[in-house]
Amino acid sequence: GAVVSQHPSRVICKSGTSVKIECRSLDFQATTMFWYRQFPKKSLMLMATSNEGSKATYEQGVEKDKFLINHASLTLSTLTVTSAHPEDSSFYICSAGKDTGELFFGEGSRLTVL
Amino acid sequence: GENVEQHPSTLSVQEGDSAVIKCTYSDSASNYFPWYKQELGKGPQLIIDIRSNVGEKKDQRIAVTLNKTAKHFSLHITETQPEDSAVYFCAASKGNTGFQKLVFGTGTRLLVSP
Repeated sequence: GAVVSQHPSRVICKSGTSVKIECRSLDFQATTMFWYRQFPKKSLMLMATSNEGSKATYEQGVEKDKFLINHASLTLSTLTVTSAHPEDSSFYICSAGKDTGELFFGEGSRLTVL
Repeated sequence: GENVEQHPSTLSVQEGDSAVIKCTYSDSASNYFPWYKQELGKGPQLIIDIRSNVGEKKDQRIAVTLNKTAKHFSLHITETQPEDSAVYFCAASKGNTGFQKLVFGTGTRLLVSP
């Protein structure tokens, strides 16, 4: 299967700081990437759809100024959690769409805000 | 919008037994149904998928069946092994490319005991 890399895998930050998470498709180009949030023992909740070269589309209830998404190239999308607070602590996962129609997921990034 | 229900939430089997996880969906326009395996602290991994133009697909010990009329699809794992223990998610989406938003089920925690 295709490889999607997410970095960092774990990050701890202080309240009020911003954190950037990267999602890279290593062996294919992805015009569309998705960002999800997952709470413990829960399913994946779609946050936004990231399209290369255009603005991201956010799901209802997701603050676009809080969760900044940039998809500057066909292999990289970034999620920046701005002014992070403890309630933003979560497992963030990205996925990238291959031209075969399949979606491949990154390994996830666990964010802990102190 | 689409709603995907998944059962059971937990499933315990003995090594060598079969395991079946069932999902139902609400939107008859959905045409792509992937299954993902998620191990603790990792991102979901695509294990098998099926499109609405087929009723069954098999890959070694894993098979998926789709009943479009009843709007349900199932994952079948035969000859289960301890390494099959994980959380399994079904999902559904619609559209020609498969890049449409995936709606996930609530997950099934499978435990295979030696």
